[in-house]
Amino acid sequence: DVKVTQSSRYLVKRTGEKVFLECVQDMDHENMFWYRQDPGLGLRLIYFSYDVKMKEKGDIPEGYSVSREKKERFSLILESASTNQTSMYLCASSPRTGTSTDTQYFGPGTRLTVL
Amino acid sequence: KQEVTQIPAALSVPEGENLVLNCSFTDSAIYNLQWFRQDPGKGLTSLLLIQSSQREQTSGRLNASLDKSSGRSTLYIAASQPGDSATYLCAVPFSGGYNKLIFGAGTRLAVHP
Repeated sequence: DVKVTQSSRYLVKRTGEKVFLECVQDMDHENMFWYRQDPGLGLRLIYFSYDVKMKEKGDIPEGYSVSREKKERFSLILESASTNQTSMYLCASSPRTGTSTDTQYFGPGTRLTVL
Repeated sequence: KQEVTQIPAALSVPEGENLVLNCSFTDSAIYNLQWFRQDPGKGLTSLLLIQSSQREQTSGRLNASLDKSSGRSTLYIAASQPGDSATYLCAVPFSGGYNKLIFGAGTRLAVHP
């Protein structure tokens, strides 16, 4: 089974802190994604990566950056945490076979609270 | 720009009922549509993926249909059980590849004994 793990289930940080969220997948997937999920807004794509050291912005990249130094690991960085970044953060990975049956596999999520 | 809408936002039913969750999308040029399940405070699990050439997919008590021309998909749950209580989300791919997905806001289902 595909396994996507996230470094923390719950995290509490203070305004202005630099925050790192880590995601690791064990299925050699090319694509990795970071989403945030807020009530009533659904999942919104922050950044994604289609290869090592490659990244592209999603719908809401402001205030975030990412790093992918190894294929299995994709990190989300909040440069200076703010209260409006309090949210559930979900990481996902998917293969890039180019077929119409590729799906995404999700981690358990990190509930981040910024005080 | 593709938009995905799910109706209703929440649903509460007694155990044993058959129910239908709805998903609509504005751009019919999709190559698949997926339904996911999310338990409270957890990640998403893929339930069903319907390719654009298919009309429906079945897994156990779940049946998902796709009508591209009308921009609609339905998820049918037969003989609902309390264990089906969760949020159900549908998603379609962005244009441009890389398997990026656009999600609906979800339907929160509660099945009570």
